[in-house]
Amino acid sequence: ETGVTQTPRHLVMGMTNKKSLKCEQHLGHNAMYWYKQSAKKPLELMFVYNFKEQTENNSVPSRFSPECPNSSHLFLHLHTLQPEDSALYLCASSFRDIPTYEQYFGPGTRLTVT
Amino acid sequence: QQQVKQSPQSLIVQKGGISIINCAYENTAFDYFPWYQQFPGKGPALLIAIRPDVSEKKEGRFTISFNKSAKQFSLHIMDSQPGDSATYFCAASDSNSGYALNFGKGTSLLVTP
Repeated sequence: ETGVTQTPRHLVMGMTNKKSLKCEQHLGHNAMYWYKQSAKKPLELMFVYNFKEQTENNSVPSRFSPECPNSSHLFLHLHTLQPEDSALYLCASSFRDIPTYEQYFGPGTRLTVT
Repeated sequence: QQQVKQSPQSLIVQKGGISIINCAYENTAFDYFPWYQQFPGKGPALLIAIRPDVSEKKEGRFTISFNKSAKQFSLHIMDSQPGDSATYFCAASDSNSGYALNFGKGTSLLVTP
């Protein structure tokens, strides 16, 4: 596996379900990100992890809970979501201490909340 | 408040033509301006990026033009090809605020044969 992988690629869940999205990066990066991509909207940064430590949380509702057990893996735990949470959830990674800011994105998880 | 404004929302160009996408920003602290390309079913991928110390950067058929005084930057795709059909996002970040990228809303480009 190379680059940034995400599983599952598609997820349909009810509003009362609990599910998790998984992201893995094989690039040796030390920063990982969760983004939400909705139609007609800019990519929205949700969470940033730097060396496994969460450094940013852009006012994301508590029904989204991130977890970063190590610098290669990132999870997004979901519970009691709303239909408006349906979107493409993208994971990205980068080198924190190189000032190029190039972020490598995974293919995303297409989430549908019914 | 959207920090980077992108236009047009969609663009149709004939094969061989020039595609031009524009972005504007307000925050003068921004010091890194990348363009990302996204194909259906894929995540965005970095296409080309520029810093404000230069006014233009060219990589193959892709050129970024940067106007610091106007706080605008644009992507030009020369000799556009059907394979360039994708969604393009401009972004900007400020080294003082870490590494958060502020994205535009995206431009859907269709290059017709």
